[in-house]
Amino acid sequence: QSVLTQPPSVSGAPGQRVVISCSGSFSNIGAGYDVHWYQQLPGAAPKFVIDGKVNRPSGVPDRFSASKSGTSVFLAITGLQAEDEAEYFCQSFDSSLSAVVFGGGTRLTVL
Amino acid sequence: QVQLVQSEAEVKEPGSSVKVSCKASGDTFSSYSVSWVRQAPGQGLEWVGGVIPVFGTTNYAQKFQGRVTISADESTNTAYMELSSLRSDDTAIYYCAGAAGYDILTGHYRDWGQGTLVTASS
Repeated sequence: QSVLTQPPSVSGAPGQRVVISCSGSFSNIGAGYDVHWYQQLPGAAPKFVIDGKVNRPSGVPDRFSASKSGTSVFLAITGLQAEDEAEYFCQSFDSSLSAVVFGGGTRLTVL
Repeated sequence: QVQLVQSEAEVKEPGSSVKVSCKASGDTFSSYSVSWVRQAPGQGLEWVGGVIPVFGTTNYAQKFQGRVTISADESTNTAYMELSSLRSDDTAIYYCAGAAGYDILTGHYRDWGQGTLVTASS
């Protein structure tokens, strides 16, 4: 059971917008700790996509964005492309555990 | 940007120890922290712990306290993770992940190694 909760899967057609949620509590997201997102293609290492300050590394298109509401953070991907099909993980810090925590991952399928 | 290259896959007997290395090229360890994250087969990501090489400061997930030692050698830009008393459920891909600056706990992992599969099996 992950400290951060993500939906197991989401899907969308090419060109559509999808949103992946990452829900936490008052000891992590609700406490104001940044939430970062990673993309993992099958058989590959995770790749940093966007950080808690909504900064993207070079090479990640601006179709990827993040927002926050209360104890949840959302990764939005617009103009969905086949290459976006991957597993997405959120990451934050939990003050109760004094540890880095990850969400369980969300499998994005491009229909 | 820093490139992280990890050591090769390991197969170990339950009860033994494994030590995985992570060598950085490009920018040095001077303003950098390295964490270790594992992923069991078909599972999600789990933080093991991290080190700030220039200070030698470490943080470990409570789950691994007493069983894991993370260290770094600035002279060779190499970080290490040693896990002892291996159990079958330690079988996983172990990734090293680097963050700019000295924030092991709240920063994002900009750089990732290719992963090292550790198999604990008799």
